[in-house]
Amino acid sequence: DVKVTQSSRYLVKRTGEKVFLECVQDMDHENMFWYRQDPGLGLRLIYFSYDVKMKEKGDIPEGYSVSREKKERFSLILESASTNQTSMYLCASSGLAETTDTQYFGPGTRLTVL
Amino acid sequence: RKEVEQDPGPFNVPEGATVAFNCTYSNSASQSFFWYRQDCRKEPKLLMSVYSSGNEDGRFTAQLNRASQYISLLIRDSKLSDSATYLCAVNWDSSYKLIFGSGTRLLVRP
Repeated sequence: DVKVTQSSRYLVKRTGEKVFLECVQDMDHENMFWYRQDPGLGLRLIYFSYDVKMKEKGDIPEGYSVSREKKERFSLILESASTNQTSMYLCASSGLAETTDTQYFGPGTRLTVL
Repeated sequence: RKEVEQDPGPFNVPEGATVAFNCTYSNSASQSFFWYRQDCRKEPKLLMSVYSSGNEDGRFTAQLNRASQYISLLIRDSKLSDSATYLCAVNWDSSYKLIFGSGTRLLVRP
């Protein structure tokens, strides 16, 4: 079974703090993705990565950065957290040959910025 | 027009009913299609991929209509445990990105 884990289920931070969200997958997937999910807005892609040290902007990259130093790990960084970044953050991975597009999600991190 | 559209619902049906959802997509070049199920405050989980010929998994049937650019999900003999939000996902280009619909909420009542 594909396993995607995220470092925290719930996180509370203060405005201006630097926030790190970590995601690890154990299936040797090439592709990893960060989304945020807000009521009424669905899943929105923040950043994704096809390979180590490679990153591409998604639809809403502003205020975020990412790091992929190892294949299994993809980190999302909020450089200076703001209240409008309060959201559910979901990491996903994909990449086995037969099912390259199929994405598997981690349990999510519910971030509250005060 | 949104890239991927779903009726948000909720669809409120009695146990045992048959219910169907559609999901329309705007990119005629899309090649991969999926249905995910998401329970409240949980992550989306893959329900099934949608193949050109259609596919069935127990009470669930997914179909693709390329001409009209939509995919459908049919649930027969609804169970209380089917209550969830159903998200469709469509690949967009060769980048392995998926575009997700906003989801259709299903409520199955006793």
